[in-house]
Amino acid sequence: GEDVEQSLFLSVREGDSSVINCTYTDSSSTYLYWYKQEPGAGLQLLTYIFSNMDMKQDQRLTVLLNKKDKHLSLRIADTQTGDSAIYFCAESPGYSTLTFGKGTMLLVSP
Amino acid sequence: EPEVTQTPSHQVTQMGQEVILRCVPISNHLYFYWYRQILGQKVEFLVSFYNNEISEKSEIFDDQFSVERPDGSNFTLKIRSTKLEDSAMYFCASSEERTGGGFGTQYFGPGTRLLVL
Repeated sequence: GEDVEQSLFLSVREGDSSVINCTYTDSSSTYLYWYKQEPGAGLQLLTYIFSNMDMKQDQRLTVLLNKKDKHLSLRIADTQTGDSAIYFCAESPGYSTLTFGKGTMLLVSP
Repeated sequence: EPEVTQTPSHQVTQMGQEVILRCVPISNHLYFYWYRQILGQKVEFLVSFYNNEISEKSEIFDDQFSVERPDGSNFTLKIRSTKLEDSAMYFCASSEERTGGGFGTQYFGPGTRLLVL
């Protein structure tokens, strides 16, 4: 079945860039998403990318997609302490449900 | 900005009891979903619902689970005879129909944390 893998933990200093990586196995993935979960809170949609795109930029967020390697990354520029959260990568073939990774815990230190 | 809401935020129940988790999806959305997240684990799909019927369900969604849209605004998940392993955060999500078919981006509610004792 489909699988989405992420590294579990990333620690950066405030002001640095963070890069969170994700790999997926489903070659029919059409949409790839990044969700953010703050402690005790729900899943907040950050951004998504359609599979015919290589890159999408939205303010401090840059999503890169390497479809050949089935690799997705989320870059957060000028990371702030408020960015500390768990970041989930998720994929969908577009007509079905989301398959999530386990999430990457981002810790931003002052 | 429209958002998905869920009630209650927390629910504690005894094993064997029935619980109903409630969700109010975004008003113009047509697809509705339930997911769950056991502590420390992945968010897992349970069920999707469209046009007043289940469109897809996972192997987790067995006979103890049911979903309903009792009126034009609410979407509920019922768990009959809860088990200890049902303890999890349950997320509701909704999406509109994407141009050209298929569901659009899913927006999640804040979740209901269910604890079964």
